[in-house]
Amino acid sequence: QKEVEQNSGPLSVPEGAIASLNCTYSDRGSQSFFWYRQYSGKSPELIMFIYSNGDKEDGRFTAQLNKASQYVSLLIRDSQPSDSATYLCAVLGGSQGNLIFGKGTKLSVKP
Amino acid sequence: EAGVAQSPRYKIIEKRQSVAFWCNPISGHATLYWYQQILGQGPKLLIQFQNNGVVDDSQLPKDRFSAERLKGVDSTLKIQPAKLEDSAVYLCASSPRLSEQFFGPGTRLTVL
Repeated sequence: QKEVEQNSGPLSVPEGAIASLNCTYSDRGSQSFFWYRQYSGKSPELIMFIYSNGDKEDGRFTAQLNKASQYVSLLIRDSQPSDSATYLCAVLGGSQGNLIFGKGTKLSVKP
Repeated sequence: EAGVAQSPRYKIIEKRQSVAFWCNPISGHATLYWYQQILGQGPKLLIQFQNNGVVDDSQLPKDRFSAERLKGVDSTLKIQPAKLEDSAVYLCASSPRLSEQFFGPGTRLTVL
């Protein structure tokens, strides 16, 4: 059974700080990784995806992938109260393209 | 570009009743997914369509759930009969390829 693990939180950071969200996955053959943001009562919204080892930056967001450690993270710089949401890590589960989601980490950014 | 459309947005039914959800994916997206998201958990795949063919329905409780995608565009998901544990948000997503997926607003189902 392929699994994706995330700390459920809540993770609380002050406004302007860096928020670090972590995710581990069980299938060593996984190739594609996604971060979704989900506001309360809303559907998941894609933030970033990463396929290669290393860092990928998009504005205030940086995704980091380490396939050897089976670890993917999301850094949010200059955190804002509007970043308060649940962040879902997802791994492409196989050749068919279905995503396997973690339970999500709830982030709270305090003004 | 219009997003994924779903209806209804909310549904309340009693156990043993039936219910149906509708999804219209983003135009041109060949792949369509139905997920179930129980409160406090991540979405769980129920069924995946490629055009109008089923690619993966291994986690669909086939004794009570059914889904179809006629003509490779719209899709419906049906539950008959519903159980209390079916209370969840049902999310439809579509994808242009084996990569990022785009979600609709979801249907929140409450089974009493």
